[in-house]
Amino acid sequence: GDSVTQMEGPVTLSEEAFLTINCTYTATGYPSLFWYVQYPGEGLQLLLKATKADDKGSNKGFEATYRKETTSFHLEKGSVQVSDSAVYFCALGVMNSGYSTLTFGKGTMLLVSP
Amino acid sequence: EAGVTQFPSHSVIEKGQTVTLRCDPISGHDNLYWYRRVMGKEIKFLLHFVKESKQDESGMPNNRFLAERTGGTYSTLKVQPAELEDSGVYFCASSPKWADYEQYFGPGTRLTVT
Repeated sequence: GDSVTQMEGPVTLSEEAFLTINCTYTATGYPSLFWYVQYPGEGLQLLLKATKADDKGSNKGFEATYRKETTSFHLEKGSVQVSDSAVYFCALGVMNSGYSTLTFGKGTMLLVSP
Repeated sequence: EAGVTQFPSHSVIEKGQTVTLRCDPISGHDNLYWYRRVMGKEIKFLLHFVKESKQDESGMPNNRFLAERTGGTYSTLKVQPAELEDSGVYFCASSPKWADYEQYFGPGTRLTVT
């Protein structure tokens, strides 16, 4: 079945450091790929998405490129801020009879210190 | 526009008791999803409603779980009787149209079964 594997956390960085959170996937069909973020006390928010190979999703300084050849969708940010501290979830969605459900990874906690 | 809301935010019950979780989707959203995250594991799909109809309930763990969406508005998820392994965070999400990937998530209900 479909699955998503992302790096274990927590990831601890100092402010302005470079961030990479690795994500790889296994899927039948042609999935779309997502990064969701959960800030403390809040629900999941869509951070960015890519719907086909070689697409780059970007938002709030975060980027991820859909790499079909390596089945990866790594999340990157050039300079993290304390406010980026949150749990990040990689996910994929595959159309199934006209609708989609999401398959998530386990989540990676990011802690950014001043 | 109000987001997806869930009630309660946290519930602590004893094994064998019954708990009902509620989700109010964004107004006008036909699609409603339930997901669950058990501690340290992936967020897993439970079921999907289109309006009041169950479209896919393949993720429901067993018959102790009952989901309803009467009238196609809010949804409830009842666990009866609760077991220790049911502890986790239950997320609800909604989306506005058929076959739309972008799901809007609520803050979740943390269920603790003691």
